[in-house]
Amino acid sequence: AQTVTQSQPEMSVQEAETVTLSCTYDTSESDYYLFWYKQPPSRQMILVIRQEAYKQQNATENRFSVNFQKAAKSFSLKISDSQLGDAAMYFCAFMEFGNEKLTFGTGTRLTIIP
Amino acid sequence: DGGITQSPKYLFRKEGQNVTLSCEQNLNHDAMYWYRQDPGQGLRLIYYSQIVNDFQKGDIAEGYSVSREKKESFPLTVTSAQKNPTAFYLCASSSYRAGTEAFFGQGTRLTVV
Repeated sequence: AQTVTQSQPEMSVQEAETVTLSCTYDTSESDYYLFWYKQPPSRQMILVIRQEAYKQQNATENRFSVNFQKAAKSFSLKISDSQLGDAAMYFCAFMEFGNEKLTFGTGTRLTIIP
Repeated sequence: DGGITQSPKYLFRKEGQNVTLSCEQNLNHDAMYWYRQDPGQGLRLIYYSQIVNDFQKGDIAEGYSVSREKKESFPLTVTSAQKNPTAFYLCASSSYRAGTEAFFGQGTRLTVV
C-alpha cells in the first residue's frame, strides 16, 4: 500500500522569505502522480502543484516549485516570496497511474510571520 | 458553474443513528472520493469509486457505506457501527484519466450528540 509521510507538522517563515515543505512516499510502482494541496482556514482544498513521475523536470507554478527526487521517493514544495495568504495547511498526495486512489499525508501547518 | 456540492454543511446525529451525507458533482468526473479529517490530522480515505456501480474500500471503511448509482452522486452513510463518527468529511471527484486534479466540496461537519 502506498504511504505518504510529511515529517513537519508545523513550519513558519517570515513574509517574503522562502520555505520548503518536505514529503516522502513509499510505492513499488514506477508510474504515478504527486500533488501538493493547500487547505486555508476556510477548509476548501486547493491544488497547488502537480508532478508526473515520468517527467524529470520539476514542476513550477509561479512562486511554487517542487524538488522531485524519484529515486529517493521525495517530493518537497518550495514557496518563494512567501505571502500572508500562503498561511494554510499543506498536504502532499499520491495517485498511482491507472488507479484513482488518492492518498494524502498528515499535513504541514504553515504560518507566515509579518 | 461546474463544481462539487456537499450537503449539509453541519450535521448532528444522536448515538445509534445512521446518517447520510450527500455529495453531488456536475463536472462529468468518473472518480469520486470520501475522506475523513480529524482535528490537526490529514485526510484519510474512506471509500472511492472509479465508475458507476463500483466502489472500493479505502483505509478506514469500517462503519461506513456508500453507493454509486449515478455518475453525479456518491452519498456516504455513517452507520451506528462507526464508534467515533464526529469529524469533518470531504468529498472529491476527478476525471477518469489518472493524474487530473481532484476537486473538493466544502465539507460536512458531523457531530454526534
